[in-house]
Amino acid sequence: VLTQSPATLSVSPGETVTLSCRASQSVRNNLAWYQQKGGQPPRLLIYEASSRMSTAPARFSGGGSGTEFTLTITGLQSEDFAVYYCQQSKDWPSTFGQGTKLDFK
Amino acid sequence: QVRLVESGGGLVKAGGSLRLSCAVSGFTFMDYYMSWVRQAPGKGLEWIAYISSSSSTIHYADSVRGRFTISRDNAAYSLFLQMDSLRVDDTAVYYCARDFIPYSDHAVWGSWGPGTLVTVSS
Repeated sequence: VLTQSPATLSVSPGETVTLSCRASQSVRNNLAWYQQKGGQPPRLLIYEASSRMSTAPARFSGGGSGTEFTLTITGLQSEDFAVYYCQQSKDWPSTFGQGTKLDFK
Repeated sequence: QVRLVESGGGLVKAGGSLRLSCAVSGFTFMDYYMSWVRQAPGKGLEWIAYISSSSSTIHYADSVRGRFTISRDNAAYSLFLQMDSLRVDDTAVYYCARDFIPYSDHAVWGSWGPGTLVTVSS
């Protein structure tokens, strides 16, 4: 089970935010982060806990291993207001966290 | 340009069946493992089915095992999801998704279709 916190985060553009994802048992580094905006499919940002997709902006960074993971957005921009999901791919069934929504403060 | 487009969604009564298709283009389909992921209205993401490039390995979520069947036609660049014995709680947007690198079972999805809505009524 993946647990994301907080469920909602009220932030302002320019801030640095850190989202958390906790696994109930070790998933090693088999953890990905996705961004989803309303009415759109998810977009892969981070894989293997800390590797950023070439299509993702450098302000997105991932960290952690085992059971504790973070997604940090440095210098939040208006287009970053979205829902963020973590996903483990260590074992089947692959599972997602319940998501963290970033909204305007 | 990588493209995935789902079709086949719609309104069906509980107990009925639907067959979803995902037409892909812009990459060598037979090189990639594929999955279906769904999202109930206002809810989070749920992976439901996975198929290897040669169809030799298939996994299902417990919620759909025995009712849904994933398949693919590499020659036709198409992925399918046969959904039988549909339930009201199967109502969701269904996405087909491609693993982000070829020849791997990472189960990390770098390309997604826009989704197709399946509504199951009672």
